[in-house]
Amino acid sequence: DAKTTQPTSMDCAEGRAANLPCNHSTISGNEYVYWYRQIHSQGPQYIIHGLKNNETNEMASLIITEDRKSSTLILPHATLRDTAVYYCIVRLGYTGKLIFGQGTTLQVKP
Amino acid sequence: GAGVSQTPSNKVTEKGKYVELRCDPISGHTALYWYRQSLGQGPEFLIYFQGTGAADDSGLPNDRFFAVRPEGSVSTLKIQRTERGDSAVYLCASSRKVAGSYNEQFFGPGTRLTVL
Repeated sequence: DAKTTQPTSMDCAEGRAANLPCNHSTISGNEYVYWYRQIHSQGPQYIIHGLKNNETNEMASLIITEDRKSSTLILPHATLRDTAVYYCIVRLGYTGKLIFGQGTTLQVKP
Repeated sequence: GAGVSQTPSNKVTEKGKYVELRCDPISGHTALYWYRQSLGQGPEFLIYFQGTGAADDSGLPNDRFFAVRPEGSVSTLKIQRTERGDSAVYLCASSRKVAGSYNEQFFGPGTRLTVL
């Protein structure tokens, strides 16, 4: 599975959009980009995933660049409850394991 | 509906003892995963079951660690001769196949293991 690079930490004002970047320059053509988050003392929670098209669901939007070497997770209106560690993961769709990196600690401030 | 449950929520044991950690996946989920998370780190993959068989056990750190899923539902992670370095939160997740892929993994709350 390809390696990902994320900033260690980010701040965001409550009510504003949070844009979390991820670099995955060695991604291969059949690998998906997944985002999970982990709120303190809880298990990770799935957010969204995509292959090459942009994706949107009730939680977030995922923007993948045309060359697929990077992506951005967008939380459109961040709330205090969105404070968490966000993990960007690249993996083959049919394989089981997730390889977590260090993630980005997002702090949403009032 | 019920999510993934793990028991116990906390386990304190002494160095050298044997422990078992249990995971109840979401009903109908054929895939089950074990991860462990040390303080300040992301979760680390241990083993993945497809039904009753271990499809990938490449993350098990050594032969003190073993996991079973005899009926394709509940799984038990077993650690022999525990060491202080085994202290971590052990996470279990389950998923089901959708259109040929296992997309979303649903995680349990974890078991916090402390080895004194």
